[in-house]
Amino acid sequence: KQEVTQIPAALSVPEGENLVLNCSFTDSAIYNLQWFRQDPGKGLTSLLLIQSSQREQTSGRLNASLDKSSGRSTLYIAASQPGDSATYLCAVWDAGANSKLTFGKGITLSVRP
Amino acid sequence: GAVVSQHPSRVICKSGTSVKIECRSLDFQATTMFWYRQFPKQSLMLMATSNEGSKATYEQGVEKDKFLINHASLTLSTLTVTSAHPEDSSFYICSAIHGMNEKLFFGSGTQLSVL
Repeated sequence: KQEVTQIPAALSVPEGENLVLNCSFTDSAIYNLQWFRQDPGKGLTSLLLIQSSQREQTSGRLNASLDKSSGRSTLYIAASQPGDSATYLCAVWDAGANSKLTFGKGITLSVRP
Repeated sequence: GAVVSQHPSRVICKSGTSVKIECRSLDFQATTMFWYRQFPKQSLMLMATSNEGSKATYEQGVEKDKFLINHASLTLSTLTVTSAHPEDSSFYICSAIHGMNEKLFFGSGTQLSVL
């Protein structure tokens, strides 16, 4: 059974800092991995999707990497801003006939002005 | 980008009533949609997979008679919480698959409070 872990559960940083959010998964047989952002009481916004054959994806100040063999992904946020404060979730889509999307519990990020 | 609209965003109801939540893909057709629920500080939990024109596939532990899912068209899936009770109070989110790379797009969620 796939398990997705995100540690720490919460992170507080000063504005302008570059930061890395970690995600690990137990079963490397995945179809893709996605990073999402969730604001309080809101739905999810898809940030980046990495296919299993890819190593990284970039969008603006965000860069996500994938190391399937070690079961790890990182989300790098450059020059953090208070508006980046939110919960960031990673999710993996298992490969195979009965594929499912398994979410981590998320990392709640607070960027202090 | 693809848009998934979910309605209502918030609903408060009395115990014993039924509540319907709609999930629409606005600018694309979605043969498959997913329904999740999220308790505070917990991860999203998949409830069921909704397939257009066929019965939904429910995850273990999810009562199909309590959470009725209908996916009657390629752009609309509905989740009906029947005879809601306070323990059903939660945040419900739908998502739809878009495109060849199967990227997921999510609705804005529905906060259900059962009194």
